[in-house]
Amino acid sequence: GDSVTQMEGPVTLSEEAFLTINCTYTATGYPSLFWYVQYPGEGLQLLLKATKADDKGSNKGFEATYRKETTSFHLEKGSVQVSDSAVYFCALSQEAGKSTFGDGTTLTVKP
Amino acid sequence: EAGVAQSPRYKIIEKRQSVAFWCNPISGHATLYWYQQILGQGPKLLIQFQNNGVVDDSQLPKDRFSAERLKGVDSTLKIQPAKLEDSAVYLCASSFRGNTEAFFGQGTRLTVV
Repeated sequence: GDSVTQMEGPVTLSEEAFLTINCTYTATGYPSLFWYVQYPGEGLQLLLKATKADDKGSNKGFEATYRKETTSFHLEKGSVQVSDSAVYFCALSQEAGKSTFGDGTTLTVKP
Repeated sequence: EAGVAQSPRYKIIEKRQSVAFWCNPISGHATLYWYQQILGQGPKLLIQFQNNGVVDDSQLPKDRFSAERLKGVDSTLKIQPAKLEDSAVYLCASSFRGNTEAFFGQGTRLTVV
């Protein structure tokens, strides 16, 4: 079956540091790929998405590129802020809608 | 635009009791999902509806869990009887169609004691 593997956390960075959270997947066909974020005390919300190979999703300074050859969708941000502290989930969704989530990576940004 | 509504937000029950969760998806969203999120893990899909039909319930423990989506709108997830290992956050989400962005509710935190 489909699976998503995220880098283990927690990740602690200083403000303005560069962020990479690795995500690799195993899936049949051509799934859509997503990054969701969960801020403290809030529900899951979509951060960015990509629907086909080589697509780049971006939002709020975060980026991720759909790499089919390496089955990866790594999340990056050039300069993190304290407000980016949250749990980040990588996920995929098949054409029929069945979705699979990674276990999440907790990011803490210190001033 | 109103988001996905869930109730209750919190529930504490004793093992072997029953419990029900309610979800009202975003208007016009055909696909509705119920997820179970155990602390420290990612959401696990329990059941997916397309309108009022079940698309996937392969990970739903059918001996104790049941779900329905009447008239293709609201949905109810029930656990009967509950076990200690059912303690988790139960998330409802909806999307316009299957592989588009899912919008999540705040979840129901269930504690079984």
